[in-house]
Order: sequence, then structure tokens, then C-alpha cells
Amino acid sequence: DQQVKQNSPSLSVQEGRISILNCDYTNSMFDYFLWYKKYPAEGPTFLISISSIKDKNEDGRFTVFLNKSAKHLSLHIVPSQPGDSAVYFCAASDTGNQFYFGTGTSLTVIP
Amino acid sequence: GAGVSQSPSNKVTEKGKDVELRCDPISGHTALYWYRQRLGQGLEFLIYFQGNSAPDKSGLPSDRFSAERTGESVSTLTIQRTQQEDSAVYLCASSLRRRGGYTFGSGTRLTVV
Repeated sequence: DQQVKQNSPSLSVQEGRISILNCDYTNSMFDYFLWYKKYPAEGPTFLISISSIKDKNEDGRFTVFLNKSAKHLSLHIVPSQPGDSAVYFCAASDTGNQFYFGTGTSLTVIP
Repeated sequence: GAGVSQSPSNKVTEKGKDVELRCDPISGHTALYWYRQRLGQGLEFLIYFQGNSAPDKSGLPSDRFSAERTGESVSTLTIQRTQQEDSAVYLCASSLRRRGGYTFGSGTRLTVV
């Protein structure tokens, strides 16, 4: 049973515009969330995290928003750049050891 | 090294053979994960090591899978009597602490024919 879901397998955005990647989760015990970016033939690269005590965390062009009541988080990239084209995974954790990953969203930024 | 190193990068094996996958974590990283990603699916947790504590093996899919790590050093994931459904990319990640930004290796692509 998929506890973390990324319902959009792909997304295309024009360069310079905002990219919004969405992630939903089912387990209300999740209290720590991460976003990873993955290029082909490489391992995922950590981007940004957020704890459930916050509703927003920003790092440069990347901002993660957390809506606990809706069990939803999103990653905003602004402005989007062609080098941002990759697969983006969200992941969530409770107090246990395991991180639960979504199936990923493939972002294409069109020059 | 600067990153997490995994070997081999690709492995093709015959059904029924045993395989051993290796992970060299970043020096000093006490936490180490193994995940796998089957085609079209998300990352699936396999096992977690934290220092010298007993590993969390709750994600291992069957008793054909085992993993070892001595202290904060190299980890090996062994799959015995491989099956076609074991075909996946096996990813290793390490971190200074459990709730950190994990650094992943490039993975081992295992194909069982």
C-alpha cells in the first residue's frame, strides 16, 4: 500500500516559470519530509526537507510547503531552469527508521 | 571518497545464482540504507544500519536477502537464489544521522535472466 503518492508522473514547464510538484501521504504519523532529485543513471540527490512543526521551508529557488490537515506537500521551483529537468521524489518518515518514497514526477523544463 | 560508491554498477545474473552488492558509504556516516527501485515504481526500503545498533531488517522481502555492515564501514547486500522479480536498481544511501539529507550512490542495476 503506497503511503506516499505522487499522482502526476510527468510535468512540463517553460523556462523561467514556476514548477509545482505535488505529493500526498496517508499516514498522519509522518512528521518529516524530504524531496530528492534524480538524473538518469545517478542516485537521488537530496534537495530540501521539512519537519511537521513548520509549514514552509525555503532554500534558494526551492520552497517546500506542508499542509498537515490535507496531508499534502508541494515543492515549488522558481524560476525553473532547463537543468532542473529530472525526476523528483518526495519521501516521508515517522519515528521509525524507514523513509517512504513516492513513485516520482518527471519534470521537463522547456527552454 | 567524496560520495557513496556502489559496485558493480551493472550486474546480469542467471536465475538461481547468488549475487553480492557492495556499498562504500561516506566516511563518518553512521546511518546507511539500502533501497531498491523496480521499473516504474518508487523506492522500496530494504534495510537500515545505524552505527553498531542492530539493523532494521523489516524491509527485506524474503529470507533470500541479507545484508551486513561492520561498524561504519562497507555494507554488502546479498541475494541468494536470485529470481526474475529481484531485477531492480539497488540503491545505497548514507547520512550522519537518521534524519539527515541522505546521500545516495548511483546504484547497482541488477538484471536476472
